[in-house]
Amino acid sequence: EAAVTQSPRSKVAVTGGKVTLSCHQTNNHDYMYWYRQDTGHGLRLIHYSYVADSTEKGDIPDGYKASRPSQENFSLILELASLSQTAVYFCASSPGHSDYTFGSGTRLLVI
Amino acid sequence: AQSVDQPDAHVTLYEGASLELRCSYSYSAAPYLFWYVQYPGQSLQFLLKYITGDAVVKGTKGFEAEFRKSNSSFNLKKSPAHWSDSAKYFCALEGSNTDKVVFGTGTRLQVSP
Repeated sequence: EAAVTQSPRSKVAVTGGKVTLSCHQTNNHDYMYWYRQDTGHGLRLIHYSYVADSTEKGDIPDGYKASRPSQENFSLILELASLSQTAVYFCASSPGHSDYTFGSGTRLLVI
Repeated sequence: AQSVDQPDAHVTLYEGASLELRCSYSYSAAPYLFWYVQYPGQSLQFLLKYITGDAVVKGTKGFEAEFRKSNSSFNLKKSPAHWSDSAKYFCALEGSNTDKVVFGTGTRLQVSP
């Protein structure tokens, strides 16, 4: 069954440390996205990609980097984690101009 | 620029009532519009979408939505509501000439038995 798999499911990181969130899709979709969700808020787009080896900035890219080494994999990298980056992170894939398939989310706590 | 507004942060109603969750959007060209549902502790699931064609679109779980270009709205409806519909609902917009999707802040629906 086609799916989007995120790892880890949850993580505790130390302020200033490096964090890598991984996303793998088996949907054969061109587009992949990283969103963050904060308590009481909607989803905000961090980075996205429509082809391997290329990434685009979303609406809130500061403090985040993204990497798309293959069509199936899309990583989100926090080089210097900060308290304000505590949130739930969702990865999604889409064929473009169509509905998303979301991963189950990664709950990140920065202390 | 594109934006989505869900003016009601919380909606509460009794089982059997009709529900309508409001969504308005701002976009200068033809929009692609979506509704997603998020059950507590879970990820988002696709409910329905409007791309073009009939203004009323039907989705999963008995939901439907009506696209109204005249007032830039895409409200989600269901009748009757069931307690299992209790969740958070997100409206989303993708511009026809962009790659990005913008989500609203969501409406938390509580249906009491």
